[in-house]
Amino acid sequence: GAVVSQHPSRVICKSGTSVKIECRSLDFQATTMFWYRQFPKQSLMLMATSNEGSKATYEQGVEKDKFLINHASLTLSTLTVTSAHPEDSSFYICSAMGGRYNEQFFGPGTRLTVL
Amino acid sequence: AQKVTQAQTEISVVEKEDVTLDCVYETRDTTYYLFWYKQPPSGELVFLIRRNSFDEQNEISGRYSWNFQKSTSSFNFTITASQVVDSAVYFCALSEEYNTNAGKSTFGDGTTLTVKP
Repeated sequence: GAVVSQHPSRVICKSGTSVKIECRSLDFQATTMFWYRQFPKQSLMLMATSNEGSKATYEQGVEKDKFLINHASLTLSTLTVTSAHPEDSSFYICSAMGGRYNEQFFGPGTRLTVL
Repeated sequence: AQKVTQAQTEISVVEKEDVTLDCVYETRDTTYYLFWYKQPPSGELVFLIRRNSFDEQNEISGRYSWNFQKSTSSFNFTITASQVVDSAVYFCALSEEYNTNAGKSTFGDGTTLTVKP
């Protein structure tokens, strides 16, 4: 089946630094990728929709200047958390649309801890 | 707007018991997809099933079965003869099928299932 990878799987950073998370579709092209955030013991909340070659569409309440999304190719989308703060600590999950039946495939997630 | 409700926050059963996880959804779309995912402690979502809104046939896959009823907007998930390895958080999700929102999923709050030996 189709595979989506995320890198890194875990990251710990100091407050004020920026962190980049990569999401790759390994065996298919994905014109659309999604970024979700999941706080402990909570559900997945959609942050933004990333379309290859165009600007991302952010959900209401998500700061686009804080969460920079770049979908530069059909297999790679990146999420950069700028000037991270402890409240940004969360589990970030990407998904990619593609495959034979245009299905959604989820990455394994990236656990971000901001000290 | 789409909404998915999983009323059961936590369920605890003893191994070999059957357990049903409820999912009720709201959407204005006539065409949509429903999903169930399993999220073990590792965090990675495990895809279990996708059901198109036009396909109301119930499905069985091993110990798992799903009951989709459009009349009650429900898509319930039953695990038969539960096992300790079934312990996880289970999410029900809904997405539109067409247009630019295809794949944009709305998740329920999840049900934490604990299966005790």
